[in-house]
Amino acid sequence: AQKITQTQPGMFVQEKEAVTLDCTYDTSDQSYGLFWYKQPSSGEMIFLIYQGSYDEQNATEGRYSLNFQKARKSANLVISASQLGDSAMYFCAMRYHSGGGADGLTFGKGTHLIIQP
Amino acid sequence: KAGVTQTPRYLIKTRGQQVTLSCSPISGHRSVSWYQQTPGQGLQFLFEYFSETQRNKGNFPGRFSGRQFSNSRSEMNVSTLELGDSALYLCASSLAGRINYGYTFGSGTRLTVV
Repeated sequence: AQKITQTQPGMFVQEKEAVTLDCTYDTSDQSYGLFWYKQPSSGEMIFLIYQGSYDEQNATEGRYSLNFQKARKSANLVISASQLGDSAMYFCAMRYHSGGGADGLTFGKGTHLIIQP
Repeated sequence: KAGVTQTPRYLIKTRGQQVTLSCSPISGHRSVSWYQQTPGQGLQFLFEYFSETQRNKGNFPGRFSGRQFSNSRSEMNVSTLELGDSALYLCASSLAGRINYGYTFGSGTRLTVV
């Protein structure tokens, strides 16, 4: 079974500092995709960044980068130069083939990030 | 292009009633998934539909059901509502079978059962 663990329920960070949100995963599959989503108080889940299990380079999307360490099964999100608008819940998720042609997406419990001025 | 549309955004129902939520996926996306989000349980997978067939189901009672139409629009139904069904219900669409393709989520339907 697939499992995502986010060990930081909440974080307070000063504006303009860099932030690292932790994510570890457990799977016996060789092929999977790792995603980070941001959920502001409005509720919508916003896609941030993706890392494939076979990708050798760490993914980057603007201020977001993913520190992918496959042997340690970790996929930490790094936000550089944090902004007040980054305050939100952040979820790490894994997409995998669940059999019979179906895909699954499993989420961690999330990290509530608060950026302080 | 238009995103994933969920209707209604907010809903208040009474215990024992039933409710139907709607989700229109991004054009071209034939895979639609539903999730329930509560403060206590977090994000939980309800079910996934592809080409009008339910391919995957989470650990929810039979009161929770869904369907998908030929145009990929999906509905989920909850019968005999309980107070614990109060939650944010999120719908997501994607290209099926593409591990490297993300899910796009709608804004959700916030259901309150009183």
